[in-house]
Amino acid sequence: DAKTTQPPSMDCAEGRAANLPCNHSTISGNEYVYWYRQIHSQGPQYIIHGLKNNETNEMASLIITEDRKSSTLILPHATLRDTAVYYCIVRSTGNQFYFGTGTSLTVIP
Amino acid sequence: DAGVTQSPTHLIKTRGQQVTLRCSPKSGHDTVSWYQQALGQGPQFIFQYYEEEERQRGNFPDRFSGHQFPNYSSELNVNALLLGDSALYLCASSLTTWPGDSPLHFGNGTRLTVT
Repeated sequence: DAKTTQPPSMDCAEGRAANLPCNHSTISGNEYVYWYRQIHSQGPQYIIHGLKNNETNEMASLIITEDRKSSTLILPHATLRDTAVYYCIVRSTGNQFYFGTGTSLTVIP
Repeated sequence: DAGVTQSPTHLIKTRGQQVTLRCSPKSGHDTVSWYQQALGQGPQFIFQYYEEEERQRGNFPDRFSGHQFPNYSSELNVNALLLGDSALYLCASSLTTWPGDSPLHFGNGTRLTVT
């Protein structure tokens, strides 16, 4: 199962774009990349997912490199409520989600 | 439209006891997964239920068992509780699709403390 590597922590100024990187160099051709975030004491919240193409929704954008070995989650205008732990996950063909330790994003006023 | 609901929200048990946690999936979802999240760690997959059967299992001992009912709700049972079982237990539901790109929707979990 493909594993992911994320920086343990990042800071971002309020109102600026937050770019969260993720490496998944062993990803298989039919495995999706998912992003979730978790605010303290709550369950993980789905953000976005993609296979090959870049994706955008009301929360964020997902940029996947052409070789699919890495991706970046972009929060276009970070707010204080975006402070959370962000998980990049490669979904195995067995439907299991393998969470790592994620990136703790702190949005600074 | 209610999302995933879990009960109870908090629970305190003593070593050796047994516990049952409950989960109602998001409306329209037919698959339920359970995850264990220790403090400071990411969630770890326990098992997944679909059509009332355990379909996949993570690296957890047989003390962890589950059930899915005809209405798709689910229970997680843990026997012979250990101190190390103290964690946040998360239930997630999804719609089984092919090629399996249906997101998981999580509840807010049950905080289990074993003393």
